Amino acid sequence: AQKITQTQPGMFVQEKEAVTLDCTYDTSDQSYGLFWYKQPSSGEMIFLIYQGSYDEQNATEGRYSLNFQKARKSANLVISASQLGDSAMYFCAMRVYSGNTGKLIFGQGTTLQVKP
Amino acid sequence: NAGVTQTPKFRILKIGQSMTLQCTQDMNHNYMYWYRQDPGMGLKLIYYSVGAGITDKGEVPNGYNVSRSTTEDFPLRLELAAPSQTSVYFCASSQRAGTGETQYFGPGTRLLVL
Repeated sequence: AQKITQTQPGMFVQEKEAVTLDCTYDTSDQSYGLFWYKQPSSGEMIFLIYQGSYDEQNATEGRYSLNFQKARKSANLVISASQLGDSAMYFCAMRVYSGNTGKLIFGQGTTLQVKP
Repeated sequence: NAGVTQTPKFRILKIGQSMTLQCTQDMNHNYMYWYRQDPGMGLKLIYYSVGAGITDKGEVPNGYNVSRSTTEDFPLRLELAAPSQTSVYFCASSQRAGTGETQYFGPGTRLLVL
């Protein structure tokens, strides 16, 4: 079964500190992609970062980095130097190629609150 | 560049009523998707389309129908609305189905069925 698990329903972080949001995944496919999306209180889904299963280096996008540990099937999001605007819900998602649907499988999300 | 647009933003329906959620993308993407997001949960796939005239069911298709007559538009039809369909509905699109292909989401439609 293909599944994404986010075990932290809510997280707090002090402004300017780094925070790690956990994500583990389950798939028997060799080729897959891992994504993180941000959903602020306004509701839209904002793409943050992508990691391919064959990528040897961890993905980085500005203050976002993805700590990819393939053997552990984990794809944690690290946000450095947290800002108040980072307060939002964060979703980890996986895309596998089988069936050619291109669908994303989402975790339940982690709510992050940044304290001033 | 508008990207993916959805209308309406919010709607209240009575049980048994029907409505169509509109979705349009201007990126000439082949793949389009409808997801629903229940409170405090991740998104689940309702229907998807790989191109004009081709649609297929996702994980939670019951109570919904779709059509894809053009590349740009992918409306979602709710027949006989039920309280269980209270949710936020997201439309998304991507050029291809590859594992690295980013999906672009619309702003969502919040639906309340009473």
